[in-house]
Amino acid sequence: ETGVTQSPTHLIKTRGQQVTLRCSSQSGHNTVSWYQQALGQGPQFIFQYYREEENGRGNFPPRFSGLQFPNYSSELNVNALELDDSALYLCASSLEVRAGYGYTFGSGTRLTVV
Amino acid sequence: GENVEQHPSTLSVQEGDSAVIKCTYSDSASNYFPWYKQELGKRPQLIIDIRSNVGEKKDQRIAVTLNKTAKHFSLHITETQPEDSAVYFCAAFGSNYKLTFGKGTLLTVNP
Repeated sequence: ETGVTQSPTHLIKTRGQQVTLRCSSQSGHNTVSWYQQALGQGPQFIFQYYREEENGRGNFPPRFSGLQFPNYSSELNVNALELDDSALYLCASSLEVRAGYGYTFGSGTRLTVV
Repeated sequence: GENVEQHPSTLSVQEGDSAVIKCTYSDSASNYFPWYKQELGKRPQLIIDIRSNVGEKKDQRIAVTLNKTAKHFSLHITETQPEDSAVYFCAAFGSNYKLTFGKGTLLTVNP
């Protein structure tokens, strides 16, 4: 069983609303990355947090924001939801920010915007 | 930034045949190349990976090859089984310290 947990598992929101998704990283992992996976596509990098600081951002607008807490858990916030934000949101934690190995993905949050 | 291209987008094989999926990457500094299997509605699961100082790696029926000069890497599955049916993603970890994924290959193994 993976050590990365995400909540909620499913969520339905109305266009224009705001949403917060949560991720608890695997024990000992100080780096959390968030990905958006639209239907039929590969995961797209949103941003990464390392020791509570944003450490890289993909091609997503500012209405996508995040936080990392002292226990290395993380939140993804999306404001002014659009229909195209409907996707599976994946969180991955890793032990070392400079290494790609050791990524552990959570089960994801399925967000539907109507 | 890094760009990863994956082919084919769909692949259908008969049970027992081999399947090959190919990826190319753009960032010559990329040093780690994982492959993930994703079943419908589930998280991506790492099935095999390779680091840039290795040319080939094998794990039972699955193997990955890497050509750093050409900047491409491939997944090989031998003796395919129906339970191998899933979407497979390649990824590359580059100089920007993030994983960049390909668009995926839907593999169907027909009994």
